[in-house]
Amino acid sequence: DAEITQSPRHKITETGRQVTLACHQTWNHNNMFWYRQDLGHGLRLIHYSYGVHDTNKGEVSDGYSVSRSNTEDLPLTLESAASSQTSVYFCASSERPRGETQYFGPGTRLLVL
Amino acid sequence: AQKVTQAQTEISVVEKEDVTLDCVYETRDTTYYLFWYKQPPSGELVFLIRRNSFDEQNEISGRYSWNFQKSTSSFNFTITASQVVDSAVYFCALSDSGAGSYQLTFGKGTKLSVIP
Repeated sequence: DAEITQSPRHKITETGRQVTLACHQTWNHNNMFWYRQDLGHGLRLIHYSYGVHDTNKGEVSDGYSVSRSNTEDLPLTLESAASSQTSVYFCASSERPRGETQYFGPGTRLLVL
Repeated sequence: AQKVTQAQTEISVVEKEDVTLDCVYETRDTTYYLFWYKQPPSGELVFLIRRNSFDEQNEISGRYSWNFQKSTSSFNFTITASQVVDSAVYFCALSDSGAGSYQLTFGKGTKLSVIP
């Protein structure tokens, strides 16, 4: 069955370190998204991609970057981790970009000390 | 700007009671999409329903039903005869041409606790 996976599922890092969270989907979806979930804020969009080599900033993109070299993967990089980036991160994908259902990965819980 | 409001932060009901989760949205578009997702205690996000703005028919799926009313900009979710397994955080989301071209904007969620 097609699926979307994230790794690692849990990570602890230190302030200032670079961290990369992986997202891999086998749906063959062109559209992929990264969200963060914080108490009291729901889910907020970080970055998204409509296809290979396409990336776009979302609502809370500062301090994050993504790159899309193939259809299946959209890694999220925290260039210099900050305590404010402690959060749960979700990756999602959809078949079409406009108004289509997004299917989510299991999430990565990141703690920045 | 688009906005989704879930005014109920937490709700507790006794098993077998019916419960309605409210969702009010704001958009300037005539074409938009509304969603509900469930996040059980295990943490994953589970898609429940998608509705486009041209389809105001109410939807029923087992014990779940959704009432979409454009006149009041609401897309409410009712669980009939609630069960303990319904305990979760429920998110309403809107997709319109606003920020980032049809990206999802989520409400802050309603935490539902079903007490046995």
